[in-house]
Amino acid sequence: QQKVQQSPESLIVPEGGMASLNCTSSDRNVDYFWWYRQHSGKSPKMLMSIFSNGEKEEGRFTVHLNKASLHTSLHIRDSQPSDSALYLCAATSNTGNYKYVFGAGTRLKVIA
Amino acid sequence: EAAVTQSPRNKVAVTGGKVTLSCNQTNNHNNMYWYRQDTGHGLRLIHYSYGAGSTEKGDIPDGYKASRPSQENFSLILELATPSQTSVYFCASGEGQNTLYFGAGTRLSVL
Repeated sequence: QQKVQQSPESLIVPEGGMASLNCTSSDRNVDYFWWYRQHSGKSPKMLMSIFSNGEKEEGRFTVHLNKASLHTSLHIRDSQPSDSALYLCAATSNTGNYKYVFGAGTRLKVIA
Repeated sequence: EAAVTQSPRNKVAVTGGKVTLSCNQTNNHNNMYWYRQDTGHGLRLIHYSYGAGSTEKGDIPDGYKASRPSQENFSLILELATPSQTSVYFCASGEGQNTLYFGAGTRLSVL
């Protein structure tokens, strides 16, 4: 059974600081990673996705992927209190079953 | 944005009772999913479907059945509900290896 491990479990950063979240899959068939953000009491919403080695930047958010180690990381610069949420990493594989496996999440709190 | 509607939003059930959670999507997505969310576990996949008439077991299918009678509707059925099934349940839809769109969730309490 594929596993997606996220670290840390929780993270507190000051407003304006950098938050770094990690995610690793144990399945060698994984070829796509997703980051979802879930505010308290709400449903998850897709934040960013990546399938190529390297990095991808969208505004204050940057995602890195190392396919050899099946490791992705999400970096949030200039963190805002509104970024406080549960961040979920998901992975899909190239086996064609479109099965999205999620990690347990990282709970981020940005304090003013 | 893709619309996924879950009902009911809240449900209290008795142990041993039957519970049906419903999900409807209006985006003509082929794939639909049922997850449960518990503190410390993230989202765990219960069942999923590739289209009308198809259901597949996810990672934690025991105690749950699923039904996909049409492209739009995907139900999760708890034939004999147990307190361990108290959780928040999310339905999602998607197409291929693309973004999943989630419903607002159903909070289920089994007493």
